[in-house]
Amino acid sequence: QQPVQSPQAVILREGEDAVINCSSSKALYSVHWYRQKHGEAPVFLMILLKGGEQMRHEKISASFNEKKQQSSLYLTASQLSYSGTYFCGTYVTQGGSEKLVFGKGTKLTVNP
Amino acid sequence: KAGVTQTPRYLIKTRGQQVTLSCSPISGHRSVSWYQQTPGQGLQFLFEYFSETQRNKGNFPGRFSGRQFSNSRSEMNVSTLELGDSALYLCASSLDSPTTGELFFGEGSRLTVL
Repeated sequence: QQPVQSPQAVILREGEDAVINCSSSKALYSVHWYRQKHGEAPVFLMILLKGGEQMRHEKISASFNEKKQQSSLYLTASQLSYSGTYFCGTYVTQGGSEKLVFGKGTKLTVNP
Repeated sequence: KAGVTQTPRYLIKTRGQQVTLSCSPISGHRSVSWYQQTPGQGLQFLFEYFSETQRNKGNFPGRFSGRQFSNSRSEMNVSTLELGDSALYLCASSLDSPTTGELFFGEGSRLTVL
């Protein structure tokens, strides 16, 4: 039930673009994106809801494809501050419990 | 506005011991979730408390337990520690449901089991 993220890691030069994908084997109702910088707490970026609009956070945007059960995070004109590990989370119901399950993360490194 | 505070930040224990970690959520937040983060498994959900009741739980053994107090502060306890319990334990608070709202994470408690 854990969403699958790809790629596992990506290295960019400042100003380049990147796409991070998040796929689920189950129907998606919402996708949550977080970024964690080294040694820091994860920080919320955005939530995409089924049937909702594409979201943006600064120059980071995301889409949600219900048919493909996939969300993509688009990082445009990357900045050094974008470096970190990006996690997507999906809402799962199991055994009467609802929980936010995260993928294993995509490590993004932006170099000067 | 103060963020989520976790204590202690670092601790070292030996196998068989138990440990208690504390989390103070953002003022006004009633939901507290706990996650275990390891390099191999990433962020894994432990449990969520809301208004002093465990509302949701993950797939961890009964050695992992938690509770929430009337002021929304939460503690998690791990008994009979194993080497594999070494991890960063993150607490996150939210206004209501963590599945529909933003989670605010603390910086975590890094547990090393020797």
